Amino acid sequence: DAGVTQSPTHLIKTRGQQVTLRCSPKSGHDTVSWYQQALGQGPQFIFQYYEEEERQRGNFPDRFSGHQFPNYSSELNVNALLLGDSALYLCASSWIGAGNTEAFFGQGTRLTVV
Amino acid sequence: AQSVTQLGSHVSVSEGALVLLRCNYSSSVPPYLFWYVQYPNQGLQLLLKYTTGATLVKGINGFEAEFKKSETSFHLTKPSAHMSDAAEYFCVPRFYFGTGTSLTVIP
Repeated sequence: DAGVTQSPTHLIKTRGQQVTLRCSPKSGHDTVSWYQQALGQGPQFIFQYYEEEERQRGNFPDRFSGHQFPNYSSELNVNALLLGDSALYLCASSWIGAGNTEAFFGQGTRLTVV
Repeated sequence: AQSVTQLGSHVSVSEGALVLLRCNYSSSVPPYLFWYVQYPNQGLQLLLKYTTGATLVKGINGFEAEFKKSETSFHLTKPSAHMSDAAEYFCVPRFYFGTGTSLTVIP
């Protein structure tokens, strides 16, 4: 079992650009959540996808959007990048059949905006 | 959104001493509660979780936590700290992480 995989592992973008991050959930999981972890901070919940729809959303602007595909994989898109978007972006997967009571995290994508 | 407070952003204990990491949550209904650990340069790992049932929850690596509804607390404890316990610990009601507590273990 490969667990939760994220790509790419590192990324450098210029302010104003757009970025897409990808996540493949753990086998058997159907729910994907995305988090932003700034340096020295705890992960901040961005949103959660289930059945290809956004089900929950944290306090993030509309520049942050996502998508879930029929195979449960997910993408996080960030438009009009700001320097403050530099962070580790974490994907977590879970199974709604278990009430999403255990989330498995990927290693994250380190995004640097210059 | 639910909020959570972790008292003490940094906690230091001696090896072999009791570990107590405090977490208080704010919610009108009993949430799901989790403790996650993040070792240096590693991903997040679930330590333990409370959903329903027994309020004393045992997790991995000798950690346990007690859900106290009356106090809205979910403190994490371990009787005897080990050097390998040095890490960042997060209390999480559902999706919302606390600010984390960095645990240092002094030899």
